[in-house]
Amino acid sequence: KQEVTQIPAALSVPEGENLVLNCSFTDSAIYNLQWFRQDPGKGLTSLLLIQSSQREQTSGRLNASLDKSSGRSTLYIAASQPGDSATYLCAVVDSNYQLIWGAGTKLIIKP
Amino acid sequence: DAGVTQSPTHLIKTRGQQVTLRCSPKSGHDTVSWYQQALGQGPQFIFQYYEEEERQRGNFPDRFSGHQFPNYSSELNVNALLLGDSALYLCASSLQGRSYEQYFGPGTRLTVT
Repeated sequence: KQEVTQIPAALSVPEGENLVLNCSFTDSAIYNLQWFRQDPGKGLTSLLLIQSSQREQTSGRLNASLDKSSGRSTLYIAASQPGDSATYLCAVVDSNYQLIWGAGTKLIIKP
Repeated sequence: DAGVTQSPTHLIKTRGQQVTLRCSPKSGHDTVSWYQQALGQGPQFIFQYYEEEERQRGNFPDRFSGHQFPNYSSELNVNALLLGDSALYLCASSLQGRSYEQYFGPGTRLTVT
């Protein structure tokens, strides 16, 4: 059974710092991995999607990497801003085409 | 182009009652999936509808049921509400065969007292 874990559960850093969020999964048989952002009480916004054959994807200040063999992904945020404060969720699409989610990392960027 | 919309935004119900949540998919999408997200947790897959039929189901009891209409919109029904059903319910739409690219609505916050 696929399980997705995100560490840390919460993170607070000063504005301007670069930071890394971690995601691990137990079964390497995935179709893709996605990173989402969720603002308090709101829905989910897709940030980056990495296909299983890819190693990384970049969008602006965000860079996500995927190491399928080791079951790991990282989301790198450069030059963090207070507007980046949100919960970041990682999800993998498993062999049944279902999204399996981590519990998220709550990120606070202090001005 | 409207994205995924859900109604209502918030809902308060009493234990034992029944509730219906609604979802309109993104224009052009024909598949709707429903998720339950408890506070501090990731979303849990409830079920997916395509061509007005339930195609996949997660580990949820029969109290959770759904429907998809010819215009692809969908409803989630929960009977005999329990306190533990309090959560954010998210709807996502996609094209059939492309469930790996889902677009999410803002969710309905259900509180059961």
